[in-house]
Amino acid sequence: GAVVSQHPSRVICKSGTSVKIECRSLDFQATTMFWYRQFPKKSLMLMATSNEGSKATYEQGVEKDKFLINHASLTLSTLTVTSAHPEDSSFYICSAPGGTSGRTDTQYFGPGTRLTVL
Amino acid sequence: QKEVEQNSGPLSVPEGAIASLNCTYSDRVSQSFFWYRQYSGKSPELIMSIYSNGDKEDGRFTAQLNKASQYVSLLIRDSQPSDSATYLCAVGGSNYKLTFGKGTLLTVNP
Repeated sequence: GAVVSQHPSRVICKSGTSVKIECRSLDFQATTMFWYRQFPKKSLMLMATSNEGSKATYEQGVEKDKFLINHASLTLSTLTVTSAHPEDSSFYICSAPGGTSGRTDTQYFGPGTRLTVL
Repeated sequence: QKEVEQNSGPLSVPEGAIASLNCTYSDRVSQSFFWYRQYSGKSPELIMSIYSNGDKEDGRFTAQLNKASQYVSLLIRDSQPSDSATYLCAVGGSNYKLTFGKGTLLTVNP
């Protein structure tokens, strides 16, 4: 298996502020990480692919200037929600492929970050 | 547009029964398939991966793949109340991306 951590697990912020979420692969290196968003009782929605050493790739309809992604190292990707608004309140989850199994097509998920914007 | 279809449920089974979860996918060239379990308010947890036609067993879980029919299933034997969760079918694509189904909510009744 593999361990992916996220921090913080829960954050409450005021409308208009920015929030940074960290995603770390703890026992393996990840040149690629993925960021998902999940609204209550809905399926996972892929937001973007985070690439170490290059720009993130965003899915259609996701604003790259609002959701800033930085893949600073082989074990860390960050998602910054800029000028957050109540409609950005959601469960944000990162994942990384590979782990320690050697198979790079298996994705392991972090525990998620619940964002509430007041 | 790749699609992964699952019956949204809810699927309700009594404790000790076999739960059968089904998934179909549209991309005929897909090679990797995964089942994730997601408890309410938690992130998905990998249960099984399968890459070849046939059955793969791991404890009480059996994944079945039929590439000709573009069909993958998950059987849970001796279902327990702790198995109650949403089960997500995912199909692997290029650049490590996964395409997820909308999930099937399973309820195991004591």
